[in-house]
Amino acid sequence: LAKTTQPISMDSYEGQEVNITCSHNNIATNDYITWYQQFPSQGPRFIIQGYKTKVTNEVASLFIPADRKSSTLSLPRVSLSDTAVYYCLVVKNAGNNRKLIWGLGTSLAVNP
Amino acid sequence: DAGITQSPRHKVTETGTPVTLRCHQTENHRYMYWYRQDPGHGLRLIHYSYGVKDTDKGEVSDGYSVSRSKTEDFLLTLESATSSQTSVYFCAISPGTVNTGELFFGEGSRLTVL
Repeated sequence: LAKTTQPISMDSYEGQEVNITCSHNNIATNDYITWYQQFPSQGPRFIIQGYKTKVTNEVASLFIPADRKSSTLSLPRVSLSDTAVYYCLVVKNAGNNRKLIWGLGTSLAVNP
Repeated sequence: DAGITQSPRHKVTETGTPVTLRCHQTENHRYMYWYRQDPGHGLRLIHYSYGVKDTDKGEVSDGYSVSRSKTEDFLLTLESATSSQTSVYFCAISPGTVNTGELFFGEGSRLTVL
């Protein structure tokens, strides 16, 4: 049974780098890994997606090891406004039967 | 921001009454999803659609039905609301591109069943 596991919560301080790791042991060859951010009273917002190695955009980096059984979202120099819940998502594509395996979310608290 | 709107944004209703939530998109995306979000459970898929009149069940579909008669609208119906369906409901849309995990979410509909 496919499952996506991530820590329930994390604490950090302004200016630090934060790394959130997600475990997805049953990932298949055609599956993609995606991360979302959610603020209170808002819908989740796409941050970054990757397949293997490293992906970087203006917001974050995503590190995926060769076996792809885990992934790490890296937020450089966090600020108070990065306090949010971060979700890991594995997208399993099989024709029309697309399956989205969500983690339960990691609540990140950034302290002054 | 992606053109996706949910209505109503807030609703209070009584047990046993029917409720319909509407999701409207202006992006012409193929996939549309209905999720519910509850503390400790994250996002749970209720139903999704991969085209007009093409829908499938998610992991928590009992007590819910959906319809998609045109590309832009995806309706979620609770035939007879129960207190356990008190939740925040999110609609999401996604293009039909293979492998993409990029979903665009609405702002949510908060439903309270008394």
